[in-house]
Amino acid sequence: DTEVTQTPKHLVMGMTNKKSLKCEQHMGHRAMYWYKQKAKKPPELMFVYSYEKLSINESVPSRFSPECPNSSLLNLHLHALQPEDSALYLCASSQMGITEAFFGQGTRLTVV
Amino acid sequence: AQKVTQAQTEISVVEKEDVTLDCVYETRDTTYYLFWYKQPPSGELVFLIRRNSFDEQNEISGRYSWNFQKSTSSFNFTITASQVVDSAVYFCALRGDSWGKLQFGAGTQVVVTP
Repeated sequence: DTEVTQTPKHLVMGMTNKKSLKCEQHMGHRAMYWYKQKAKKPPELMFVYSYEKLSINESVPSRFSPECPNSSLLNLHLHALQPEDSALYLCASSQMGITEAFFGQGTRLTVV
Repeated sequence: AQKVTQAQTEISVVEKEDVTLDCVYETRDTTYYLFWYKQPPSGELVFLIRRNSFDEQNEISGRYSWNFQKSTSSFNFTITASQVVDSAVYFCALRGDSWGKLQFGAGTQVVVTP
């Protein structure tokens, strides 16, 4: 079983809605990540947090707003999304440094 | 710039056959790390292995084995005696000096039929 938990597993939202994706890990990892994955494509990095501070933002549109309230939690706030934002959103965590990242099962987001 | 190439889009095998997934990478970093992940239909990316650039020793884990060759910039993955549960998309990935960024290949879909 994954030790990175994402909720919800599925989300359908309208273009005017505001919603949040949540991610939690209890492995003591101090790096956490958001990835976006379109169908039949590899994951694309969106954001990286290290020690609860945003360290990498891959030029993601402002309608995606990440938040790291503490070392175990990572949120992704969504507002005014477009249908093309429909994708699988994956959260991951890792120890600091060059180590493997562990992924959650993802949230399948559909924007209507 | 870093690049990972998985030229095989899809491989179909019959159960118990061996299957080898190719991965070729490009990086200018002298120290780098290579990974393989498995993504079943459920969506979760499952970590399989990490290999450091300074360690070319091949590895075997059960039915899985990996062949790392720096001379050809390749990190290939073999599943021996495949099973239906091996059906998934397999991603090769590279991380260089920039620790936060993991560069994925396009992925190879493996389909194992009974």
